[in-house]
Amino acid sequence: QVQLQESGPGLVKPSETLSLTCSVSGGSISYYYWSWIRQPPGKGLEWIGYKYHSGSTNYNPSLRGRVTISVDLSKNQVSLMLRSVTAADTAVYYCATGSGKLELTTGNYYYYSMDVWGKGTTVTVSS
Amino acid sequence: IQLTQSPSSLSASVGDRVTITCRASQGISRDLAWYQQKPGKAPNLLIYAAVTLQSGVPSRFSGSGSGTDFTLTISNLQSEDFGSYYCQQLKSYPLTFGGGTKVEIK
Repeated sequence: QVQLQESGPGLVKPSETLSLTCSVSGGSISYYYWSWIRQPPGKGLEWIGYKYHSGSTNYNPSLRGRVTISVDLSKNQVSLMLRSVTAADTAVYYCATGSGKLELTTGNYYYYSMDVWGKGTTVTVSS
Repeated sequence: IQLTQSPSSLSASVGDRVTITCRASQGISRDLAWYQQKPGKAPNLLIYAAVTLQSGVPSRFSGSGSGTDFTLTISNLQSEDFGSYYCQQLKSYPLTFGGGTKVEIK
């Protein structure tokens, strides 16, 4: 069973770049499409984007081009970078994955569900 | 696609039957999942494809619906079922979640 563990700095200053890592164990990182999801304090869940190791990506337009997700096969890690952060980016950040299917016409991957989640890491944006 | 959950919170007794609804702003076939989240924990998948129970999830949880209207039912509510419940649509991007339903045990 795949297991995920997020890590990164708990405090980031406004306008700087948030960088998080998700370490993958118990399965092949090259097999899955990797998503990041976040949850502001006391609020609901927001999908950030996904990345496949070969390059396929899909990001939430709400993040206005500030986000990059990458996959490092050699380290078995998935990374999230979020640039120009503000207090609104304060949240618990989760990496997650699940099975799904690739739609050839669009190139998009469609999850059936997200059944594997990390425990999450809390990031606070504050000076 | 916007997902509207109702109610936003509820309080029920052990043994009760609880129903949570999720309405999509446009048709999503059966591309919907339900998650349970306990305080300080990651979401846990309960139901996928609107009606399919995830392995290991108690059979008192069930899902129904298709198109725009979906329901999560907890029959015979147990004390360990407290927490927040979220629906998620997987039909189109960006993937979205409902606003959540907080379940409290009386």
